Amino acid sequence: KAGVTQTPRYLIKTRGQQVTLSCSPISGHRSVSWYQQTPGQGLQFLFEYFSETQRNKGNFPGRFSGRQFSNSRSEMNVSTLELGDSALYLCASSDTSGRDYEQYFGPGTRLTVT
Amino acid sequence: GDSVTQMEGPVTLSEEAFLTINCTYTATGYPSLFWYVQYPGEGLQLLLKATKADDKGSNKGFEATYRKETTSFHLEKGSVQVSDSAVYFCALKPFQGAQKLVFGQGTRLTINP
Repeated sequence: KAGVTQTPRYLIKTRGQQVTLSCSPISGHRSVSWYQQTPGQGLQFLFEYFSETQRNKGNFPGRFSGRQFSNSRSEMNVSTLELGDSALYLCASSDTSGRDYEQYFGPGTRLTVT
Repeated sequence: GDSVTQMEGPVTLSEEAFLTINCTYTATGYPSLFWYVQYPGEGLQLLLKATKADDKGSNKGFEATYRKETTSFHLEKGSVQVSDSAVYFCALKPFQGAQKLVFGQGTRLTINP
């Protein structure tokens, strides 16, 4: 099976703009999660989608939003970008739950805000 | 809330040395525990996991044992190789509730030939 894919891999935006990142999960996986990775804060959970519904949300401002489509592909949107939003954004998919839970990560989208 | 603490890096070892990366956690109930590895320019790869107390996860020569009494999940390898150079993350999935991972801060490992 193909792994989790994310597009674009690199992105440069200006403060105040908005950005949309895309994630295609492993075929058959219905759960998609997003994480932000920065040198200062490490890996932080943004949100999780399952069957087109946001099931869990991390502690991020409302500028961060997402959605999931019927084919399980997911997008993440950040509006009114700030310099602190510069990070590696990782998408992960899963087809398990409970104790057998495993997440498979994509290569990430590196966002630079100038 | 749930949290994970890893030993601070960076860690530098010589090839064939013994590796230990310490990981302790704070969580309610019985979380599932994971080690992920991140190579330069890549996403995270699941290295091993354990889902209940006293379970031992193992993969590619790496091992970690779920110790409920000490709330620990230390990563070990008997003989490291240059190709093991990467950043290692310890993580937990909460026992109940959110389907998400809580990560430690990561430990950068460099193996010198």
